[in-house]
Amino acid sequence: KAGVTQTPRYLIKTRGQQVTLSCSPISGHRSVSWYQQTPGQGLQFLFEYFSETQRNKGNFPGRFSGRQFSNSRSEMNVSTLELGDSALYLCASSLDRGQVSGNTIYFGEGSWLTVV
Amino acid sequence: LAKTTQPISMDSYEGQEVNITCSHNNIATNDYITWYQQFPSQGPRFIIQGYKTKVTNEVASLFIPADRKSSTLSLPRVSLSDTAVYYCLVLSGSARQLTFGSGTQLTVLP
Repeated sequence: KAGVTQTPRYLIKTRGQQVTLSCSPISGHRSVSWYQQTPGQGLQFLFEYFSETQRNKGNFPGRFSGRQFSNSRSEMNVSTLELGDSALYLCASSLDRGQVSGNTIYFGEGSWLTVV
Repeated sequence: LAKTTQPISMDSYEGQEVNITCSHNNIATNDYITWYQQFPSQGPRFIIQGYKTKVTNEVASLFIPADRKSSTLSLPRVSLSDTAVYYCLVLSGSARQLTFGSGTQLTVLP
């Protein structure tokens, strides 16, 4: 069974540009969430999607956005890139079975974004 | 989300058993305890999850006492490749958002 797949794995962008990152969840998983990881701030929650709807949002500016498609695949976009946006962006997916049992969340390998 | 406390770092030698304890005093009735492992520049990897008593899989065991206010991740016979950061998280059955603490940097020495 394939895991969470993220593309691209590495990319370099210039300040002011925008970037789109892609995530394919584990087959059958309907919840997709995104995290940013930096050495200084650690792992921080960006947003979570379920059935094409954003259900939860972290404390990030509006330059960070995302969406989910009908096949549960998700994309996140960062506009007007700043140097501080350089980070590892992680996508995670889960079945989201509600309170039936523990909701295990699985992560992809991440997309390394460097803003120069 | 329940707050967790775990040691910042631990050292061990190859072949030893390593136990990492996590405190979660305000764990709620429906909360589960989950551990992740993360290598540099990679996404966190799910290790094990449990609710009470003991859970074992092919890579680790998780011990949870009756009061559930702490848990211990046990890694049998560690190798150099187990050097990583280990995160303890407490989340509800319907948790959709994870809050990671600082984790425990485990260094396995030859």
